[in-house]
Amino acid sequence: DTGVSQNPRHKITKRGQNVTFRCDPISEHNRLYWYRQTLGQGPEFLTYFQNEAQLEKSRLLSDRFSAERPKGSFSTLEIQRTEQGDSAMYLCASSPGTSRETQYFGPGTRLLVL
Amino acid sequence: GENVEQHPSTLSVQEGDSAVIKCTYSDSASNYFPWYKQELGKRPQLIIDIRSNVGEKKDQRIAVTLNKTAKHFSLHITETQPEDSAVYFCAPQIYNQGGKLIFGQGTELSVKP
Repeated sequence: DTGVSQNPRHKITKRGQNVTFRCDPISEHNRLYWYRQTLGQGPEFLTYFQNEAQLEKSRLLSDRFSAERPKGSFSTLEIQRTEQGDSAMYLCASSPGTSRETQYFGPGTRLLVL
Repeated sequence: GENVEQHPSTLSVQEGDSAVIKCTYSDSASNYFPWYKQELGKRPQLIIDIRSNVGEKKDQRIAVTLNKTAKHFSLHITETQPEDSAVYFCAPQIYNQGGKLIFGQGTELSVKP
C-alpha cells in the first residue's frame, strides 16, 4: 500500500496520560498536514510541515500538543496530559508540495479519552 | 481568516436524480477548490477539484463549477446512486500560503433507492 498510513488506528487512554500518533506520508511527498475531526464536523487544520520544518500551527494546537517530522519523512503528534475534549479523529494528509496541491488523507487515529 | 459555508447540511434525493451542493468562501486569495467524500468511519477522499483559472470541470457523473467573483463553487452529481450516500466536504485552499484546507461543515447526502 503506497498511501498515507497512520498508527495506531484506535487509542483509548485515561485523562492525564500522554499519547503519541504516527503518520507515514506517501513517499516523496514533502508536505505533511495534521487535522482533527470531531463527530459531525469537518476536519480542522492543526499544523503542517514542509520537509522537516513546521511552518504553521493553528490556534487549536495548545501547548499540550507537539508535532515533529525529524527527517522529513514520517511525523509524530504527541498530546500531553490528555483531556476529554481531545477525543477526536486525528487525520494526517500529505501532498507533493510542488505545483500539485492535492492532499491525500490517511485512515486516521481515533482517540478516546476517558 | 477564511470562512467557509456549505449548503445544504443534509440532502435527500431519489436514485437517478441530481444533487447540488454549494460552498461559499470569504478569502479571495483562495486558488484551489477540492471536494471530498467521506463515508462513515473512513478517510476523506478527493472526488474532484478545480483551480482558479478554470470555471468548470467534469468527471463522469461529477462536476464542479467555480464563480470566483461571487466566491462560491458547487458540486454537481448526476444520476445519483445509493453508493453516492456519504458526507461531502468542500475545502478551499490558498496554496501559496501553506496549502491548509479549510473545510466546510459538510453535507450529508442520502440517495434513496
